[in-house]
Amino acid sequence: EAGVAQSPRYKIIEKRQSVAFWCNPISGHATLYWYQQILGQGPKLLIQFQNNGVVDDSQLPKDRFSAERLKGVDSTLKIQPAKLEDSAVYLCASSLGVFGEISTDTQYFGPGTRLTVL
Amino acid sequence: TQLLEQSPQFLSIQEGENLTVYCNSSSVFSSLQWYRQEPGEGPVLLVTVVTGGEVKKLKRLTFQFGDARKDSSLHITAAQPGDTGLYLCAGLENTGNQFYFGTGTSLTVIP
Repeated sequence: EAGVAQSPRYKIIEKRQSVAFWCNPISGHATLYWYQQILGQGPKLLIQFQNNGVVDDSQLPKDRFSAERLKGVDSTLKIQPAKLEDSAVYLCASSLGVFGEISTDTQYFGPGTRLTVL
Repeated sequence: TQLLEQSPQFLSIQEGENLTVYCNSSSVFSSLQWYRQEPGEGPVLLVTVVTGGEVKKLKRLTFQFGDARKDSSLHITAAQPGDTGLYLCAGLENTGNQFYFGTGTSLTVIP
């Protein structure tokens, strides 16, 4: 079974530039997550999709970050414009997302995209 | 806001030693997960605990969920270099729909 795919693996940009990340979840997984992981910290949830609808985006800085999940499969996360403090690893994860079974739902993570903002 | 505090933050031990990592919170969780993350990779789920006082064993790893479901511990017996990585706990609040990750414990096992 193929895992969660992310691209690019690395990206270096200058502040105020734009950047986009792509995620392809495991086939059949209804729930998709985007996390931001700053060096030395645990992942912080940015946005959670159930199929193509947003479940939680309370921690997404909406003035500069946007995300979409077209047709309930692939997803893109965009930052425009980027700031120095956006330097982090952006992780995508997916899970089966069976209703009523969230407490035992397993998230499968991709390798992440390491973003450096100069 | 970090709801889950992990300790220690860093741990460096010799191969063969035992260790315990703690995950503490003031919140009550309906379930708690432990992940291990290696450099350049995403976290990988090790275990999920859902019952207060529950103990689960995975080879040399023992996981315990506190009776009040506010804390958890991970004990590794006879650590090996392959255990090196970042250990993360993640809790699902009773009324929540997302797992909150802890601050992480970076473990290095020296051969």
